[in-house]
Amino acid sequence: KNQVEQSPQSLIILEGKNCTLQCNYTVSPFSNLRWYKQDTGRGPVSLTIMTFSENTKSNGRYTATLDADTKQSSLHITASQLSDSASYICVVSARAGKSTFGDGTTLTVKP
Amino acid sequence: EPEVTQTPSHQVTQMGQEVILRCVPISNHLYFYWYRQILGQKVEFLVSFYNNEISEKSEIFDDQFSVERPDGSNFTLKIRSTKLEDSAMYFCASRDIEITDTQYFGPGTRLTVL
Repeated sequence: KNQVEQSPQSLIILEGKNCTLQCNYTVSPFSNLRWYKQDTGRGPVSLTIMTFSENTKSNGRYTATLDADTKQSSLHITASQLSDSASYICVVSARAGKSTFGDGTTLTVKP
Repeated sequence: EPEVTQTPSHQVTQMGQEVILRCVPISNHLYFYWYRQILGQKVEFLVSFYNNEISEKSEIFDDQFSVERPDGSNFTLKIRSTKLEDSAMYFCASRDIEITDTQYFGPGTRLTVL
């Protein structure tokens, strides 16, 4: 069964600090991995998308890494801001159109 | 920047009633999706739609659910006879071509079944 596991479940950090969120998956055959940011009550917003051949991708202060051998990905947020408080969701696709969502990591950035 | 829109933002209905949730995908997109998110739980895939037919559906998407693209712009999700457990946020998403595979999500419709 295709699964996506994220850790930690929740995280609290101080404004300006960095943090790293983890995603492990068993989805096969792998197509791509996406990280989304979801504000409470809103739809997910795409941050990064990586295919099998990519092992790192950046979007501003967000940097995602992918190790397709170990089936792990991480999302690193640098110099966190209060507006980074949200749920971060890892989504892995086995093939176009079928996606498995992780439970998400709830990040709280405090002043 | 073009975006996916959904209406209504909040729908309250009585158990057993039919509801139709509406979505307007990004205009040049070809693939359409519905997802749901029960409060406090993760997003769950319901159905994908391409070339005017369902391409994939999950076990959640039973006979009570149907999707339609009635015209060139709208994409609807119908729940025939709502149950209490259908209460959730319903997200529509669309994407353009297979290569990018980036799905753009709408803001969601919050469905409350009483």
